[in-house]
Amino acid sequence: LAKTTQPISMDSYEGQEVNITCSHNNIATNDYITWYQQFPSQGPRFIIQGYKTKVTNEVASLFIPADRKSSTLSLPRVSLSDTAVYYCLVGLPLHSGNTPLVFGKGTRLSVIA
Amino acid sequence: DVKVTQSSRYLVKRTGEKVFLECVQDMDHENMFWYRQDPGLGLRLIYFSYDVKMKEKGDIPEGYSVSREKKERFSLILESASTNQTSMYLCASTLGGVSNQPQHFGDGTRLSIL
Repeated sequence: LAKTTQPISMDSYEGQEVNITCSHNNIATNDYITWYQQFPSQGPRFIIQGYKTKVTNEVASLFIPADRKSSTLSLPRVSLSDTAVYYCLVGLPLHSGNTPLVFGKGTRLSVIA
Repeated sequence: DVKVTQSSRYLVKRTGEKVFLECVQDMDHENMFWYRQDPGLGLRLIYFSYDVKMKEKGDIPEGYSVSREKKERFSLILESASTNQTSMYLCASTLGGVSNQPQHFGDGTRLSIL
């Protein structure tokens, strides 16, 4: 399984763009990169997933360089409600024979007014 | 929208009791998972299941067992609860096959063993 490394915590002011980078140096050819968000007292929630280049949805953008050894989750103009823990996961789709993706400790983002 | 429902948000049990945590999903997902989450340790996988009556050990299965008699329901069992099993327990499900579908989580059960 590709191991991921992300900052333990980050602080940001409201209205700023926040970029959280995840390192995954031993990512395999078929691995996808997936990000989850978790608010206190709730289960994690899927944010975005990508394989290469750039993916954008209504919540975030995901930038993946050509070598795929890292990825950056970008949250535009954060608000207080974006305060949460963000997890980066790397691996294959789950089906018989594949090992489930591993959640690390995530990055705790604190948005300050 | 996928809904994963865990039977209790908060549960208090005594040491030595047999504890059942229930999880139900409404989207006909093949894969289901049980995690525990502790401060500073992130989410750790206990057991998962690819299909009915199938189960696989995760990273920390000791002291736990699971049951999947129906596709929509995945139960976590603490055979003889101990204080070190006090934790937040999270259930998740995902579509099977080769599609790269994300996991859908319930809101968790905060279990206290006294």
